Parts: sequence; C-alpha cells; structure tokens
Amino acid sequence: KQEVTQIPAALSVPEGENLVLNCSFTDSAIYNLQWFRQDPGKGLTSLLLIQSSQREQTSGRLNASLDKSSGRSTLYIAASQPGDSATYLCAVRWNAGGTSYGKLTFGQGTILTVHP
Amino acid sequence: DGGITQSPKYLFRKEGQNVTLSCEQNLNHDAMYWYRQDPGQGLRLIYYSQIVNDFQKGDIAEGYSVSREKKESFPLTVTSAQKNPTAFYLCATTSWQGREQYFGPGTRLTVT
Repeated sequence: KQEVTQIPAALSVPEGENLVLNCSFTDSAIYNLQWFRQDPGKGLTSLLLIQSSQREQTSGRLNASLDKSSGRSTLYIAASQPGDSATYLCAVRWNAGGTSYGKLTFGQGTILTVHP
Repeated sequence: DGGITQSPKYLFRKEGQNVTLSCEQNLNHDAMYWYRQDPGQGLRLIYYSQIVNDFQKGDIAEGYSVSREKKESFPLTVTSAQKNPTAFYLCATTSWQGREQYFGPGTRLTVT
C-alpha cells in the first residue's frame, strides 16, 4: 500500500533554531514529492517540488531533500522565525502510465510552532 | 492575477439542503480536484477531473456530485445524502508539465 508518514506530528522550537521535518513513503516508484505549508483556516501553499530525478531543492531558508532508495524526504528550515509557525505537509505523487497524472498521497502533517 | 478562486469563503446551510461550492481557475490546467479536510483526518479526495466532460470518484465520493463543463470551472455539490457535510473543502489543480499541485483558499461549510 502506498502510504506517506510525517514525523513528528508536532514540534515546538525557539526562534532562531534550525529544524528538520521528516517525511517517509512506502514505495520508491514516485513521480515527485511536494512540500506544502498550511496556515489555520487557509488553503495549502506549495513550498518546494522535487522531481524523482532530483536530490534536493532550495528556496530561501528552506531546503528539501529526496532519497528514493530509503523512502525519505526532509524539509530543513534555517533560522526559524515565529512567522514559520504553520502545519507542513508532504505529498507524494506516484508513478502512473499513459495520460494519468498519478495519485497524490498526503502525509498527516507536522504542526510547527516557533516561539519568540 | 493567476490562481484558483473558491467561493464563498464561509457557507451555512440547513440539514437536508443541497449546496454547491464554486471553484474557478485561470491557470489553464486540465486536472482539477476536490478535497475535504477534517480536524485530525488529513486531506481526503472527493472527486477529480483530468479533462473537460470527464471526472472520477475519489476515496469519499458518496453524497457528493460534480460537473466539468468548462476547463476553468469544477463545481462541487454537497447533497442531502452526505451524512457529515460540515468540513473545510479545498479545490486544487495540477499542471501536466511537472505535475505540481496548486490549491485554492478553501470554503468552510457548516450544516446545522
């Protein structure tokens, strides 16, 4: 069964810390992996997209890595700020043939709180 | 201004009434999706459409219906057959190139 798991479920850190969020998946036949941020009562905002042929992607203070062989991705946030407080979700798009877009499976998310 | 719009932001209905949630996009994406989000349950797929005039059931389609008459629009109807309709509903699109998923701002539906 194709599943995505995120650990930890919640994380609280002081401002300025570097932190790592983890995402694991059960099948290495992935098309891509996407990290999202969700603020309370809002939609999901795409942070980073890593295609299966890539090892990492960077955007500002965010860096996401992908290791298909071990079934893991990490989201690294440098110098965390209170404004980074949100729920972070990873989603894996599995390979599919033909004209199919492939199924997208979400993890349950990590609730991040950065306190001043 | 490119993106996905969902309206209304908040919707209140009485039990037994059908209600339609709007989703419009100007990203020129073929694929569109409806998800439901409940506290502690994560995102669950209701319906998706990869092309105009075609759509498929997701994991929790019972009590919902959709149409896809235009590329830009994918409305979701929550029928009176849906037992627990109160939830946060999210519309999304996917680009064919790169298969990146984009989300709208969501509609919070409350049924009493």
